[in-house]
Amino acid sequence: NAGVTQTPKFRVLKTGQSMTLLCAQDMNHEYMYWYRQDPGMGLRLIHYSVGEGTTAKGEVPDGYNVSRLKKQNFLLGLESAAPSQTSVYFCASSHLREQFFGPGTRLTVL
Amino acid sequence: GENVEQHPSTLSVQEGDSAVIKCTYSDSASNYFPWYKQELGKRPQLIIDIRSNVGEKKDQRIAVTLNKTAKHFSLHITETQPEDSAVYFCAASPGSARQLTFGSGTQLTVLP
Repeated sequence: NAGVTQTPKFRVLKTGQSMTLLCAQDMNHEYMYWYRQDPGMGLRLIHYSVGEGTTAKGEVPDGYNVSRLKKQNFLLGLESAAPSQTSVYFCASSHLREQFFGPGTRLTVL
Repeated sequence: GENVEQHPSTLSVQEGDSAVIKCTYSDSASNYFPWYKQELGKRPQLIIDIRSNVGEKKDQRIAVTLNKTAKHFSLHITETQPEDSAVYFCAASPGSARQLTFGSGTQLTVLP
């Protein structure tokens, strides 16, 4: 089992460009989450999903969109990247209460 | 929404000493409190968790205590070792969707 995987691992964007981050899990978990991690601020929830076809806003959803078309995948989109979106993005999934995290994507927006 | 505060932000201890990290939460509906360890450049990993119907939980050198009345919970690491050096995050979960609200983290350094 690969657990939770994320692609890409690193990305550099210019302001205004768009991109999609992919999260995949092979544990058949219902719940999936996207967080961003900034220095000194812990992890903040962007969006989450409680099952295939569902999404909901977290603490910091502005500037991001998500989709969960398949149970095993959770996509995070940036339509028009801004320097304030420079961060490390973590995806997580859960079945019961424990959340399992992916390895992260380091995104830099110039 | 839930607000979790974590202290201290940095903590240095001598190898073999104990370390204590404290968190407070705001939402009385929170019922699940995990602690995650994150090594440099790695993903967060769960080290211990506690539910609101339990006051204390231990796992070898690690223990967590919960005071629901005061809305605070703490992580205790005994006999610290250099490999305990990492950033530790507390979190609280009030929702049926099981989303977590994290504290801002504590950088623990264990000095040999």
